[in-house]
Amino acid sequence: QSALTQPASVSGSPGQSITISCTGTSSDVGSYNLVSWYQQHPGKAPKLMIYEGSKRPSGVSNRFSGSKSGNTASLTISGLQAEDEADYYCCSYAGSSTYVVFGGGTKLTVL
Amino acid sequence: QLQLQESGPGLVKPSETLSLTCTVSGGSISSSSYYWGWIRQPPGKGLEWIGSIYYSGSTYYNPSLKSRVTISVDTSKNQFSLKLSSVTAADTAVYYCARQTNGWLVPIDYWGQGTLVTVSS
Repeated sequence: QSALTQPASVSGSPGQSITISCTGTSSDVGSYNLVSWYQQHPGKAPKLMIYEGSKRPSGVSNRFSGSKSGNTASLTISGLQAEDEADYYCCSYAGSSTYVVFGGGTKLTVL
Repeated sequence: QLQLQESGPGLVKPSETLSLTCTVSGGSISSSSYYWGWIRQPPGKGLEWIGSIYYSGSTYYNPSLKSRVTISVDTSKNQFSLKLSSVTAADTAVYYCARQTNGWLVPIDYWGQGTLVTVSS
C-alpha cells in the first residue's frame, strides 16, 4: 500500500481539463511544499512534470499545473492531448526518517 | 546532457544479493547540489524509493528496506551502486537510478532508463 493516495484512473476528452489528486498526511504533503509529479509512458522512465508543488521544469508544457490544499496535492492538465495519456505519480518529502514517499499512480486515458 | 545508466545481472536467485551499478555521464557525481538514488517499480505496479547517497558517502534508506540495502559511491568512476540482500520474488522489478535534489531528496529530475531484475531460481 502506497503512502500517498491517488485515484487509480481518470479520463477526459481532447481539449478538456482533468485533475489528479494526491492525498497524504500532516507528516508529508501537509508539512512540506515538496510535492512533485511524474509522467510515465509505457516502458519508459518517469519524467518530472511539477516540483515544489507548482513549479514546472524547463520544457514542460504550461498545460500542466500543480497546487496543494492541506494534506492533498493536485495535478491539473488543461487542453488534454492524446500524448498526455500515461501514468502519473505524485511524490513527497516525508521527513527525516521516512524521507521519500510515492503515490500509487493514476492512469490517465484520453478518450 | 546528464545521463544515467544502470548495469548488472538481470536474473538473481532467491536468497542471494542483487547488485546494480549506475554510471553517471555528462556531469559529476561529486556535485554538492545533488543526491543519487535508486527507485524500483515491480511489473505493473507503482514506484518505490529504495535509498539515496551523497558523494561524501552519507546515505538515506527507505525504512521498509533498510535492513537489506546498501548504497555506495565511487567518485573516481562517477558511479554509485546498490546491493539488496536476501532477495525474494517480491524484489522482482525495474530498478532505476536517478538524481535527486540536495537537502530534500526531491524532486527526482534525471532518471536512468531502468533495468529489469528478475528474482527466480
